[in-house]
Amino acid sequence: DAKTTQPPSMDCAEGRAANLPCNHSTISGNEYVYWYRQIHSQGPQYIIHGLKNNETNEMASLIITEDRKSSTLILPHATLRDTAVYYCIVRVPTTSGTYKYIFGTGTRLKVLA
Amino acid sequence: NAGVTQTPKFRILKIGQSMTLQCTQDMNHNYMYWYRQDPGMGLKLIYYSVGAGITDKGEVPNGYNVSRSTTEDFPLRLELAAPSQTSVYFCASSIYSGYGYTFGSGTRLTVV
Repeated sequence: DAKTTQPPSMDCAEGRAANLPCNHSTISGNEYVYWYRQIHSQGPQYIIHGLKNNETNEMASLIITEDRKSSTLILPHATLRDTAVYYCIVRVPTTSGTYKYIFGTGTRLKVLA
Repeated sequence: NAGVTQTPKFRILKIGQSMTLQCTQDMNHNYMYWYRQDPGMGLKLIYYSVGAGITDKGEVPNGYNVSRSTTEDFPLRLELAAPSQTSVYFCASSIYSGYGYTFGSGTRLTVV
């Protein structure tokens, strides 16, 4: 089962920051948080990931609370092309020693002109 | 650089037919994955591979088989298609398990 909870939908005005919350209250100490987005029915696109420190790249910023029970993905200046479903994922270990993603249903972000 | 290529893009199968969904990547990634996505839902892991000759089951492996004879290719086989296998199938790869995945554009399969 997914280890994350996200609001089903959000709207954001074009040019404004989009702040997408995620709850992962059962996260373990060594489990990373990943964010992906899916535009229309395309394959998901990797955005960013982090463990406990805040992270920033050319696409977004990831803010993880100190207790690691929740995080926020920030798109600093949303554009119409950022309209997509955003997935917050906790990477979990597999029995064979690697890791896998457990996807939830995500947040459908609509950027409004 | 093509990334992850999936073929076909669309397919309609009759119940009981079999088919192979192809996936190939040109990034020399060791890790490859197959997911399915039902309407309005997130992705569910079917099978994954950590390198040539090594495969393992994910969350929903029943009704599917995989093989990994080369680093580049990771085909997914449906032996006896059932309506419950109607879905969009995504293949993905990563250089290692902790890195971001690169997904293909998907195969939309309908079983009637």
